[in-house]
Amino acid sequence: EAQVTQNPRYLITVTGKKLTVTCSQNMNHEYMSWYRQDPGLGLRQIYYSMNVEVTDKGDVPEGYKVSRKEKRNFPLILESPSPNQTSLYFCASSPSPLGKGGAVGLGAQYFGPGTRLLVL
Amino acid sequence: GENVEQHPSTLSVQEGDSAVIKCTYSDSASNYFPWYKQELGKGPQLIIDIRSNVGEKKDQRIAVTLNKTAKHFSLHITETQPEDSAVYFCAASMEGYSSASKIIFGSGTRLSIRP
Repeated sequence: EAQVTQNPRYLITVTGKKLTVTCSQNMNHEYMSWYRQDPGLGLRQIYYSMNVEVTDKGDVPEGYKVSRKEKRNFPLILESPSPNQTSLYFCASSPSPLGKGGAVGLGAQYFGPGTRLLVL
Repeated sequence: GENVEQHPSTLSVQEGDSAVIKCTYSDSASNYFPWYKQELGKGPQLIIDIRSNVGEKKDQRIAVTLNKTAKHFSLHITETQPEDSAVYFCAASMEGYSSASKIIFGSGTRLSIRP
């Protein structure tokens, strides 16, 4: 079954304790991205990756790190979590952004089930 | 930077009636506009999208219209059913020959269908 998986689904941690949220997709997608969802703010992009070893900042990258060593995995790392990073996190992937004629685009994104993080 | 405004934030309609959600965007270079549906406890799922070379697109009970001049686009759901109850997000992005792969989402609309 084609899917995006995230782990853990729920996490309670304390300020300053490093954590990693894993994301994996089995659709051979080149593009992957992380979002956070907060009430009244919708989905905000944290980081994205166009391909292996290619990552870039989204709109709210402060306090987060990512890596893309393999095509299928795109972990989100919080080196020193703070309470303002309490949120619902989504990973997403998309087929090759290189469409016809070399145009770059996202097309449809496939979202994971989400990770609810509480930082005390 | 790009900004996407979405209205209303909540919407309640009688089953069988139509629902309309509206979004405006700020960057005239935006040319791809997807709509996502998020059911409780799940990730968003694409339901329909439109590109700037098209003014309207329809898929069964769902349609999206785009007014490039006014920089707004709308989602129309006809003959609403209980399973349409969810949070809906609009989004805007730019597809082109650059590395512009950011996508900006609206703040979401919680749609409730009254039986």
